[in-house]
Amino acid sequence: QQPVQSPQAVILREGEDAVINCSSSKALYSVHWYRQKHGEAPVFLMILLKGGEQKGHDKISASFNEKKQQSSLYLTASQLSYSGTYFCGTESPGSARQLTFGSGTQLTVLP
Amino acid sequence: DAGVIQSPRHEVTEMGQEVTLRCKPISGHDYLFWYRQTMMRGLELLIYFNNNVPIDDSGMPEDRFSAKMPNASFSTLKIQPSEPRDSAVYFCASSRGNSPLHFGNGTRLTVT
Repeated sequence: QQPVQSPQAVILREGEDAVINCSSSKALYSVHWYRQKHGEAPVFLMILLKGGEQKGHDKISASFNEKKQQSSLYLTASQLSYSGTYFCGTESPGSARQLTFGSGTQLTVLP
Repeated sequence: DAGVIQSPRHEVTEMGQEVTLRCKPISGHDYLFWYRQTMMRGLELLIYFNNNVPIDDSGMPEDRFSAKMPNASFSTLKIQPSEPRDSAVYFCASSRGNSPLHFGNGTRLTVT
């Protein structure tokens, strides 16, 4: 079953922060985050493997609450280059390597 | 590293015709995935291979769809006969072990 992402879309001004949430009804082994720009392939951002794990890259970070089966992606001081559609992909125990993607969150950063 | 290479980039065909999409994974990657992306259904996993062996094809929508991986450097996704509802962007992705998926640039299929 597809994880649920929220919000579906968000519009920001450069320098503002955003949070994208991903929630699953199934137990999770890992959560993957990807960003896709229009007309391009999805590009990997980060994997979270452990409950409560947090990872960060530059001004983009994420958390994973294994008990709640939720993950959040945090974008701070957003830049124009952050625009795109963000997907979470979830992997469940017993379904190794089968990533199920959410419907995506369209992020637009305006100057 | 050339990345995952897919061909063709665009395919326009008439309903009933056979369509073959091709993928060359990154050298050394032992997993290969075929995804389909549409506005309505998002990114759907169709089938994936491990060491050239199909592991799970439960996402393949109908018997009209088939996929093969004859060797570690080549895979095909075939649709026969094609229908307008098959119109979508088809992505191939590869990975090594538990590493992240690397996606190709996709094939945009239009069936008229």
